[in-house]
Amino acid sequence: DTAVSQTPKYLVTQMGNDKSIKCEQNLGHDTMYWYKQDSKKFLKIMFSYNNKELIINETVPNRFSPKSPDKAHLNLHINSLELGDSAVYFCASSQGGTGREAFFGQGTRLTVV
Amino acid sequence: GESVGLHLPTLSVQEGDNSIINCAYSNSASDYFIWYKQESGKGPQFIIDIRSNMDKRQGQRVTVLLNKTVKHLSLQIAATQPGDSAVYFCAENPGDYKLSFGAGTTVTVRA
Repeated sequence: DTAVSQTPKYLVTQMGNDKSIKCEQNLGHDTMYWYKQDSKKFLKIMFSYNNKELIINETVPNRFSPKSPDKAHLNLHINSLELGDSAVYFCASSQGGTGREAFFGQGTRLTVV
Repeated sequence: GESVGLHLPTLSVQEGDNSIINCAYSNSASDYFIWYKQESGKGPQFIIDIRSNMDKRQGQRVTVLLNKTVKHLSLQIAATQPGDSAVYFCAENPGDYKLSFGAGTTVTVRA
């Protein structure tokens, strides 16, 4: 059983489109995250949710809107996609807020053309 | 083999040798320091962590050392194997509910 699963794994879309990435964790964790990894492998936190509540929004443009319908799911919707949004997006989960032993999904490689 | 610094260095190591990956962190208030391994096409995977009140912690074939005086963290891998080839990230938790990652070190194991 996959602990943290994201769909889709690859996403190619045109500028200006709207797209969503889904994430589910079956670990019973109370905290979920979205991270962005750029072409140079830098990993940066975007959002953190604890028990469905937004805790961290790390100066992400409001074109990005996360939604957590329950503790096990954290989806990411992106409006009006731009070329600079091309990256790998990782969902992760952990128990508690220290972030240690966070489990990451396999990533979604988003390419905006 | 050994890597240094915050850049994205590469480390090439002979199979069976020990590897040392170094990292400098920035926030003295961080409570945990963590090492992650990322294999090609996969998400980062937790390896080991150390709390700020410790200076050494050992796992299976890995040891993490923390020097708070100079804000330095290192990961030692004993008897490096081909399966250890990956990008290694150090991370710290400068506050609750987020991790701040370093730039990563690409380790290549030579047969």
